[in-house]
Amino acid sequence: NAGVTQTPKFQVLKTGQSMTLQCAQDMNHEYMSWYRQDPGMGLRLIHYSVGAGITDQGEVPNGYNVSRSTTEDFPLRLLSAAPSQTSVYFCASSYSKAGANSYTFGSGTRLTVV
Amino acid sequence: KQEVTQIPAALSVPEGENLVLNCSFTDSAIYNLQWFRQDPGKGLTSLLLIQSSQREQTSGRLNASLDKSSGRSTLYIAASQPGDSATYLCAGYSGAGSYQLTFGKGTKLSVIP
Repeated sequence: NAGVTQTPKFQVLKTGQSMTLQCAQDMNHEYMSWYRQDPGMGLRLIHYSVGAGITDQGEVPNGYNVSRSTTEDFPLRLLSAAPSQTSVYFCASSYSKAGANSYTFGSGTRLTVV
Repeated sequence: KQEVTQIPAALSVPEGENLVLNCSFTDSAIYNLQWFRQDPGKGLTSLLLIQSSQREQTSGRLNASLDKSSGRSTLYIAASQPGDSATYLCAGYSGAGSYQLTFGKGTKLSVIP
């Protein structure tokens, strides 16, 4: 089924560990982004990409890295996990950055940092 | 900076009732506005997208409107059903240079059988 696939669905990390959250889409979408969702805070943009080889920071980028080597994949790396990064992470994609098309979201990765 | 507010935070209605969810935004230069549905523990499902040049969009029992001058959008749900129970999020897109959706915190809807 066409859509946005995120792995893993759940993850527990110890403080200081690193990991990569995977995101893949098969809709040939140019634009991909990562959001985190926290209680009482809503969804906030971490990083985004407007095409292969192009990434930029969103509202809350500290502690995260991204790369976009292919159109399909947009992994999110936690460099040294902290309890403040406990959250639900969503990857989203859209046909164009112009916002003329609706966004498609993945099912999320629930991350707990202890 | 665009800010999006959704009131109320929670709403409980009996089955069959028509209802309206509200969304307000601060930047009238909004490019488009999108309504999402989120079920517990799940991702976001896009419901309706309204471009700035449009005033409303309809899909089945759902109708969303956009009034840029007043900074408001509403999602109308007709003949509500228990399956409509979910959190509804609105998100504004402010156009070039931003690329991000600014989300409200959502309205949690419960439809009581």
